[in-house]
Amino acid sequence: GAVVSQHPSRVICKSGTSVKIECRSLDFQATTMFWYRQFPKQSLMLMATSNEGSKATYEQGVEKDKFLINHASLTLSTLTVTSAHPEDSSFYICSAAQPLRYTEAFFGQGTRLTVV
Amino acid sequence: AQSVTQLDSQVPVFEEAPVELRCNYSSSVSVYLFWYVQYPNQGLQLLLKYLSGSTLVKGINGFEAEFNKSQTSFHLRKPSVHISDTAEYFCAVILGANNLFFGTGTRLTVIP
Repeated sequence: GAVVSQHPSRVICKSGTSVKIECRSLDFQATTMFWYRQFPKQSLMLMATSNEGSKATYEQGVEKDKFLINHASLTLSTLTVTSAHPEDSSFYICSAAQPLRYTEAFFGQGTRLTVV
Repeated sequence: AQSVTQLDSQVPVFEEAPVELRCNYSSSVSVYLFWYVQYPNQGLQLLLKYLSGSTLVKGINGFEAEFNKSQTSFHLRKPSVHISDTAEYFCAVILGANNLFFGTGTRLTVIP
């Protein structure tokens, strides 16, 4: 299957700093990428949907100014957690889908963010 | 409203025994259904999916699931589990806007 690479896999940052997480589709063009957040022992919650070249669509309750999403190319989307706080510590997972093939979303390996 | 319900948060089962992980969905329209597996600190891997056609879907690692429209269920089964099947399993559905909605997950623990 297609490969989606997420980087970094783990990051520890200080409270108040910003962290950028990258999601790359390695062997296909992903017009749409999804960002999820997963709390311990809980399910994945969709944070936002990003479409290449346009603004991301955020789910209700997700602060768009805190979780900046950029989908500048067909193979790269980034999630920046701005002014991180300990409550932002979580597992973040991206997925990517090819045009008109949303039933075949491929997931990255996830990023464990710890804010201290 | 909950789109996907996984009633069992934890399922312990002995090695080589059969297992069924339950998933029910709530939708009056056509749905696409998925099962994903997540190993510790990793992303999700697709086990199988139902889009249309045969209601019995076979996936990787010996898993299968059956779409039951009347019962709005999509239970995951495996006739004989291995230690390596210990993981978190998520049922998911695509509704409307092509977004995946996940159930709360079931932790399968295979006991030697």
